[in-house]
Amino acid sequence: GAGVSQTPSNKVTEKGKYVELRCDPISGHTALYWYRQSLGQGPEFLIYFQGTGAADDSGLPNDRFFAVRPEGSVSTLKIQRTERGDSAVYLCASSLDGGVSNEQYFGPGTRLTVT
Amino acid sequence: SQQGEEDPQALSIQEGENATMNCSYKTSINNLQWYRQNSGRGLVHLILIRSNEREKHSGRLRVTLDTSKKSSSLLITASRAADTASYFCATGPGGGAQKLVFGQGTRLTINP
Repeated sequence: GAGVSQTPSNKVTEKGKYVELRCDPISGHTALYWYRQSLGQGPEFLIYFQGTGAADDSGLPNDRFFAVRPEGSVSTLKIQRTERGDSAVYLCASSLDGGVSNEQYFGPGTRLTVT
Repeated sequence: SQQGEEDPQALSIQEGENATMNCSYKTSINNLQWYRQNSGRGLVHLILIRSNEREKHSGRLRVTLDTSKKSSSLLITASRAADTASYFCATGPGGGAQKLVFGQGTRLTINP
């Protein structure tokens, strides 16, 4: 079946602008995760959804970052007043039900460049 | 912040040789997972080992876990050029947390 998809694959925006990044998880997966990966580093956790609710948003760096999952499927990561330091690859993952031993399946990522 | 440290940061070997990568972590875990990443984009899940397991095999991959030393190793046997990628270990922390905490990765290059 289809894997996790993310759109757009690349996004270039100017400093100060607002961006939205979309994630389509694997059908039937109730758990959804956002990570951010800077060049040469491993992914860093941002937020985890179980169904429609954000179960853990401890990784969001500041209040410019916000994510929603209104119907428990597609999720949107929103970044306000973008800064050059926000440039990174934003990865989305989903797992069956968020169980601690469940594999997380990753999408191809959105490469965000803030100029 | 990242929990794990991977060693070495970069590894270059000849095709056919075995490649061993190590990962250390700091806190208690429920499981440890290894991922492969090509060209800095999507991660591919390779193998998951639970905290009560010591060794696991999948094809040419062998993973060990030593919870007393808070370390894991990934062995790729009979390497191929297609194994060239970055490899990351990721821990599933204890306490019911669902997020993965990744190391910085090992960049593996297989020379033909």
